[in-house]
Amino acid sequence: NAGVMQNPRHLVRRRGQEARLRCSPMKGHSHVYWYRQLPEEGLKFMVYLQKENIIDESGMPKERFSAEFPKEGPSILRIQQVVRGDSAAYFCASSPPSFGTHNEQFFGPGTRLTVL
Amino acid sequence: AQTVTQSQPEMSVQEAETVTLSCTYDTSESDYYLFWYKQPPSRQMILVIRQEAYKQQNATENRFSVNFQKAAKSFSLKISDSQLGDAAMYFCAYRDQTGANNLFFGTGTRLTVIP
Repeated sequence: NAGVMQNPRHLVRRRGQEARLRCSPMKGHSHVYWYRQLPEEGLKFMVYLQKENIIDESGMPKERFSAEFPKEGPSILRIQQVVRGDSAAYFCASSPPSFGTHNEQFFGPGTRLTVL
Repeated sequence: AQTVTQSQPEMSVQEAETVTLSCTYDTSESDYYLFWYKQPPSRQMILVIRQEAYKQQNATENRFSVNFQKAAKSFSLKISDSQLGDAAMYFCAYRDQTGANNLFFGTGTRLTVIP
């Protein structure tokens, strides 16, 4: 059973370009979470999605950032008009349906975004 | 909002010795989960151990154990018989049992293992 997959692992963009980060959850998992890790810091929650629904986006910047988790295909975190401050590692985690409370999150390897 | 504090930015331990990493948290909830994650240089987040707040017994996983003090809101990680492969960043994390599913992380402790 493959783990959470993220691609690309490394992404370089120039200021003003768009960045698209992809996350394929573990098989059977319908919940996806995105976290951002700035250098020398812990992970900060951004958004929580279920298939075709955004459940909690309280950690998402109001502008330039969006996320989706379509019925088919991976979850996408999209950053428009990137700035140098967007340089960070972006982690995706997935968990199974919330039957009960043991919906442990399994993390992907992360995408390291560098904005030049 | 829930906050997680790790007051030790760096720690070191001699190989085969024991080390304890500290974590405190703030919450008004009575039921929640606490976690320790390990992040080696590969940056992969690896779950080390989990504790349910309603359980009084401290969780253990082989060489890893926790000291959970609910009243003090303290959740320390003890690593026994430290190995070179234990060298990594360690993050303490909190999650509500109900409602929000997201994890709140501390700022991490960098553990160095000295041969």
